[in-house]
Amino acid sequence: DGGITQSPKYLFRKEGQNVTLSCEQNLNHDAMYWYRQDPGQGLRLIYYSQIVNDFQKGDIAEGYSVSREKKESFPLTVTSAQKNPTAFYLCASSWGEEGGLETQYFGPGTRLLVL
Amino acid sequence: AQSVTQLDSHVSVSEGTPVLLRCNYSSSYSPSLFWYVQHPNKGLQLLLKYTSAATLVKGINGFEAEFKKSETSFHLTKPSAHMSDAAEYFCVVILGYSSASKIIFGSGTRLSIRP
Repeated sequence: DGGITQSPKYLFRKEGQNVTLSCEQNLNHDAMYWYRQDPGQGLRLIYYSQIVNDFQKGDIAEGYSVSREKKESFPLTVTSAQKNPTAFYLCASSWGEEGGLETQYFGPGTRLLVL
Repeated sequence: AQSVTQLDSHVSVSEGTPVLLRCNYSSSYSPSLFWYVQHPNKGLQLLLKYTSAATLVKGINGFEAEFKKSETSFHLTKPSAHMSDAAEYFCVVILGYSSASKIIFGSGTRLSIRP
């Protein structure tokens, strides 16, 4: 089955620790995205990538880093510089056709909790 | 400024009665408009999308939405609510059709269904 997978489902981080959230898709989509969701708020874009080996900052990139070495993978690292990392993180992908951002397909999410 | 506003943070209806979730947007472009649904601790699922074809868009699970340019609205409706419709709903706007396209999420509307 084609789709997007995120792992782990729950992740715990200690103070001062970096953690990496995994996102994999087998939809052959060019574009991938990371969003953060806080209670009672809409999604906010952290980073996005429209092609392999290229990515752009979204609205709240500080304290996060990404890589896009393979088309199917877009891992997100939450660094110790992110002072309020507790949130629900959603990964998405789309065809990202030339000139536009198309319908996005979302993964099941990872809930990050700080100990 | 370009934005999307979901007018109600919480809507509660009785099972079998109509559902109306309101969304207004502000844009100087012709936008692409989407409604997504999110069940607890799950990723987002596309309900329907408008991309400048028919103004009345039919989606999954009996939902539909009408694009009204004069009112800059894209309200989501369903004739008869079902208990399984209880979830969070997000209105999403994609502005522009270029490499500078911007995705804007509304803050969400939580739909509760009373037995």
